[in-house]
Amino acid sequence: SYELTQPPSVSVSPGQTASITCSGDKLGDKYACWYQQKPGQSPVLVIYQDSKRPSGIPERFSGSNSGNTATLTISGTQAMDEADYYCQAWAPDVVFGGGTKLTVL
Amino acid sequence: EVQLVESGGGLVQPGGSLRLSCAASGFTFSSYSMNWVRQAPGKGLEWVSYISSSSSTIYYADSVKGRFTISRDNAKNSLYLQMNSLRDEDTAVYYCARDPVGGSEAQYFDYWGQGTLVTVSS
Repeated sequence: SYELTQPPSVSVSPGQTASITCSGDKLGDKYACWYQQKPGQSPVLVIYQDSKRPSGIPERFSGSNSGNTATLTISGTQAMDEADYYCQAWAPDVVFGGGTKLTVL
Repeated sequence: EVQLVESGGGLVQPGGSLRLSCAASGFTFSSYSMNWVRQAPGKGLEWVSYISSSSSTIYYADSVKGRFTISRDNAKNSLYLQMNSLRDEDTAVYYCARDPVGGSEAQYFDYWGQGTLVTVSS
């Protein structure tokens, strides 16, 4: 079965750029999307189809996907961005990465 | 405003059954595919099942195949998940999620409900 691998944790200082990776075999040949989940809340879509941003998602969130790695980039990270982030692809069933806890400190 | 409201969760013994519901509003429910996704306590997200807008196409994760049944009633704007032969490992928060592109390689979930907790324990 297809697997997506994310680092368990990423730390970033406020105002800096955070990058969260998601690795899978030939992931660049598929579409990747990203969800943000804060404690006690439901997931929120922040990037879909590799790099598209839903309405209402700040411009500081961006995405890319090439080769075996998709990347979620948060520019000018704010304290409110501290959350768990999950990547997802279709291979052909829906597959989620294990999640990355982003700490802003 | 798009709203998805799950209900039906609770405590059930191993081997028991439970039926989850998801009430949709704020959009044309009959035009969208829908999914169930679950999250065990302290764990990550796991896709459970997919149903197309007309119910013509249905998929299940291997972990629930043969035990869970997804269905929908477009007249009632509702999505369902019938869960039978429940196991300890089915304990999770169950979310319904809207699928704007319908089970394709570009599949993603643009709206999620608040979730309903299913606890399987004796």
